[in-house]
Amino acid sequence: NAGVMQNPRHLVRRRGQEARLRCSPMKGHSHVYWYRQLPEEGLKFMVYLQKENIIDESGMPKERFSAEFPKEGPSILRIQQVVRGDSAAYFCASSPRAGSNYEQFFGPGTRLTVL
Amino acid sequence: GQQVMQIPQYQHVQEGEDFTTYCNSSTTLSNIQWYKQRPGGHPVFLIQLVKSGEVKKQKRLTFQFGEAKKNSSLHITATQTTDVGTYFCGPGNTPLVFGKGTRLSVIA
Repeated sequence: NAGVMQNPRHLVRRRGQEARLRCSPMKGHSHVYWYRQLPEEGLKFMVYLQKENIIDESGMPKERFSAEFPKEGPSILRIQQVVRGDSAAYFCASSPRAGSNYEQFFGPGTRLTVL
Repeated sequence: GQQVMQIPQYQHVQEGEDFTTYCNSSTTLSNIQWYKQRPGGHPVFLIQLVKSGEVKKQKRLTFQFGEAKKNSSLHITATQTTDVGTYFCGPGNTPLVFGKGTRLSVIA
């Protein structure tokens, strides 16, 4: 049973370009979460999605960031017009259901570097 | 949402010494989850505590949930270099809201 997959593992972008980060949850998991981790800091929640729906995007910056989880295919976190401050590790996690009794399984992360 | 504070932020120990990290909340938690992140790695689930006063052990790791369900601790006995990493706690809600973590370094 493959774990959570993320690609690319490393992404380099120049300021102003777009970054697309992909996450395939574990088989049977329909809940996906995105987190951002700045260097030497903790994990910060960004957005929670269920198939075709955004459930909670309270941690998403208001501009330039968007996320989707289509009926078919991976979840995508999209960052438009990247700036140096977007450089971070972006982790995706999945769970089979929502609620307080379910652990989250994390992917290996995408390390984004903005030049 | 519920927030937790973790202390200490950093801990350096000699190999073989014990280590404890604490997780504190101002509100009562329904449960708490602990995760470990190795340097350069991703968070990995360790355990979930649900009951007041609950104690769970995993080899050299002992997890406790306070009687009031407002705090939790992780104690590692006789640390090894494989214990190096950052330990995060957070209410097991959806989504997870982690504390800032305790970064453990072990000096061989």
